[in-house]
Parts: sequence; structure tokens; C-alpha cells
Amino acid sequence: SQTIHQWPATLVQPVGSPLSLECTVEGTSNPNLYWYRQAAGRGLQLLFYSVGIGQISSEVPQNLSASRPQDRQFILSSKKLLLSDSGFYLCAWSPGASGTDTQYFGPGTRLTVL
Amino acid sequence: AQSVTQLDSHVSVSEGTPVLLRCNYSSSYSPSLFWYVQHPNKGLQLLLKYTSAATLVKGINGFEAEFKKSETSFHLTKPSAHMSDAAEYFCVVSDPVGGSYIPTFGRGTSLIVHP
Repeated sequence: SQTIHQWPATLVQPVGSPLSLECTVEGTSNPNLYWYRQAAGRGLQLLFYSVGIGQISSEVPQNLSASRPQDRQFILSSKKLLLSDSGFYLCAWSPGASGTDTQYFGPGTRLTVL
Repeated sequence: AQSVTQLDSHVSVSEGTPVLLRCNYSSSYSPSLFWYVQHPNKGLQLLLKYTSAATLVKGINGFEAEFKKSETSFHLTKPSAHMSDAAEYFCVVSDPVGGSYIPTFGRGTSLIVHP
């Protein structure tokens, strides 16, 4: 069966510090991968998605970046965090590019920027 | 372009009474529609999805939703609420954008269940 992991589960970082969040998927190959951010009291905002290794599409211009160094690994990074980067970060995968595909979500990372 | 509107930010019900969470969508194509549930500080879990088959879709935990094209709606219902249903619910629409399917999430509806 497929599983998705995210770490760390929680993170407290000072403004201006770097960020690296990792997401890995097991039990499948060539998944579509997604990074979402959920701010308090708001819906999900799609940040990045990837349909293959090295293929990253950005939905919202900001100080975050994403990389996919391996087929089932998706990394979210920042060189300098802002207060507004605080939120709940969710990684998700889907089997392919079909609109009927279910997305499977990881447990999330709670990021607090102070 | 696609969009989705969840008409209520909060819905409050008593345990044992019916649940109705409303969702309207806009899509240029024949969309796929989903409902996900999120319990506090957890990831999202699929409740059900519509993919152009039967318009009445049954999901997990007794939830169901009906696709009504004429009303562009996909409301989520459950005959009898349980305390464990208290969570955030997201309606999602997906149709092709430039050849790729990028889901669009609603802002969510918080379901509160009173004993």
C-alpha cells in the first residue's frame, strides 16, 4: 500500500532563517506531487506541483521554492522566512494527471515563524 | 477557469440530526468533484468523489453527495450527525487547465456537532 510521510511535524523558526520541509511517498512510482499551505482559518493554497523529476510548477510567486530530486521525494525550501510563511504545510500525491484522481495527503507540518 | 464556493464557513448541528454542507462550482468542462475531511492538525482524507458516473455518490462514514449540473452544486449530506463528524470539510473541483488537472479547493466549512 502507499504511504506518504512529512517531516518535521512541527517547526518553530525565526524570521530570516532558512527552511527545508521534506515529503516522501512509498509504494508507488511517478506520482504527481503537491505542496499546499493552510493559514489559520483559511482554505488550502496550492504552492507547487510536480508531474515528474525536476518538473516543478509554481502557482503563487513568493519566497518559497520546491524541488523534486527523486521520483518520490518533494522538498519545500526557503532562503529567508517571513512572518507570513507561518501555517500548516501539506504535501499530497496523486496517481497521475487525470482529473478523476484522488489526492492523498500527508500528516502536515505546522510551521511557526517568530 | 474553475472555482468552488462553500456557502457556509461554519455549520452547527446537534448529534443525531441531519447534516448539509453546501458547495457550488464553476467549470468550463465536465468537472470531477470531491469532498475531503480534515480533523484538527491532521491531513485531509477523501470522503467521496464524482467522476461523471452516477450523480448520487456515496462515501465513507455515511456521507453522500448529489451532483446537480443544472444548479452547479455538489452538496454533502448525512442523515444523522455523530460527534466524530466534527471537522473541517473541503469541496474540490478539478478540470483540465492547459492539459493538466489542478484541483481547486473551497475555503472549507467547519462542522460543529453538539451533544
